[in-house]
Amino acid sequence: DAGVIQSPRHEVTEMGQEVTLRCKPISGHDYLFWYRQTMMRGLELLIYFNNNVPIDDSGMPEDRFSAKMPNASFSTLKIQPSEPRDSAVYFCASSLRTGPGGTQYFGPGTRLLVL
Amino acid sequence: DAKTTQPPSMDCAEGRAANLPCNHSTISGNEYVYWYRQIHSQGPQYIIHGLKNNETNEMASLIITEDRKSSTLILPHATLRDTAVYYCIVRSYNQGGKLIFGQGTELSVKP
Repeated sequence: DAGVIQSPRHEVTEMGQEVTLRCKPISGHDYLFWYRQTMMRGLELLIYFNNNVPIDDSGMPEDRFSAKMPNASFSTLKIQPSEPRDSAVYFCASSLRTGPGGTQYFGPGTRLLVL
Repeated sequence: DAKTTQPPSMDCAEGRAANLPCNHSTISGNEYVYWYRQIHSQGPQYIIHGLKNNETNEMASLIITEDRKSSTLILPHATLRDTAVYYCIVRSYNQGGKLIFGQGTELSVKP
């Protein structure tokens, strides 16, 4: 199993540009999570999906952020327009289920730098 | 959500047991204790979880006190590759998918 796949691994862009981060969860996993990690705020959950449906997006910082999951094997996190404060590492994770046994498996992350 | 308190950093000699404490004095009856770790520049990795009984797997052991207000993660024979930030997380079954990460403990395993 290839694990959770994220692309790109690194992204450098200029303020105001649109950024799209991509994630392929582990096959068969019903849940997909997007996290953001910064030095100031640590690791924080942005949004998660169950069977392609967004369940909790309370962590999405503002309307510039949007996430979609068009099918069970693909999700995107889009920032439009991007700002320097969006610079962070964005992790995608997936799990078979939530609850006690719902181990989340994390991808390698996308390191985003907005200039 | 129950909050957790961990020491910000710890050192451990290679080959020795690493004992990482976590305080969760406000834990409620339906909340589990999870441990994840994050090796530098990688995504977090699940280690172990438990409710009230001690648990052991191929990576570590989890010791939960009888009153469940604290727990200890034990890496029995720490190696240099165990150098990472270790997160103790408390989560209820009904909390859905949320993992709320604190600041964790930065464990340095030294030769």
